[in-house]
Amino acid sequence: EDQVTQSPEALRLQEGESSSLNCSYTVSGLRGLFWYRQDPGKGPEFLFTLYSAGEEKEKERLKATLTKKESFLHITAPKPEDSATYLCAVQAPNNNDMRFGAGTRLTVKP
Amino acid sequence: GAGVSQSPSNKVTEKGKDVELRCDPISGHTALYWYRQSLGQGLEFLIYFQGNSAPDKSGLPSDRFSAERTGGSVSTLTIQRTQQEDSAVYLCASSLLGSQNIQYFGAGTRLSVL
Repeated sequence: EDQVTQSPEALRLQEGESSSLNCSYTVSGLRGLFWYRQDPGKGPEFLFTLYSAGEEKEKERLKATLTKKESFLHITAPKPEDSATYLCAVQAPNNNDMRFGAGTRLTVKP
Repeated sequence: GAGVSQSPSNKVTEKGKDVELRCDPISGHTALYWYRQSLGQGLEFLIYFQGNSAPDKSGLPSDRFSAERTGGSVSTLTIQRTQQEDSAVYLCASSLLGSQNIQYFGAGTRLSVL
């Protein structure tokens, strides 16, 4: 069965303290791995899609990387406005749905 | 244009009552998804509509749950005889065929069953 596990469940950082969030997955034939950001009371907001091992994508202070078994979301010099829950999801070739992890709740303190 | 719109934003109901949740997708998006998000949990896939194809209902947790999509646009998720364990945030997303399946989400409906 396809599974997505995110770690840690929660992460507290000081402003400017870089770190990484992990998403490990088991899926037969990855069609795509997605990162979303979710703020309280709102729906997930799309950040990145990765399709093959070795691929990297960047957006402002965020950088997503992908291997055959996991993805990392690196946050460089985070700011308080980066505080949110970050969700990882995978899509298998023959599935119409995406399997989401439980998310990492990030808090960045000023 | 406007994003995905869901209504109501909050719904409080009594156990045993039926509820209807509405989703208005982004205009032109052919795919529509419903998910359920319980407190501290990831998103749980419920149902998927794609154009005029038969919907993928494989994620519906019981026969009390049903959904329809009229005219390829607005969708309604119906929960009959609600139970306390149905309390959750119900999220709708839409995507454009060929867009690498980037899903755009609404803000959700928070359902509380008393």
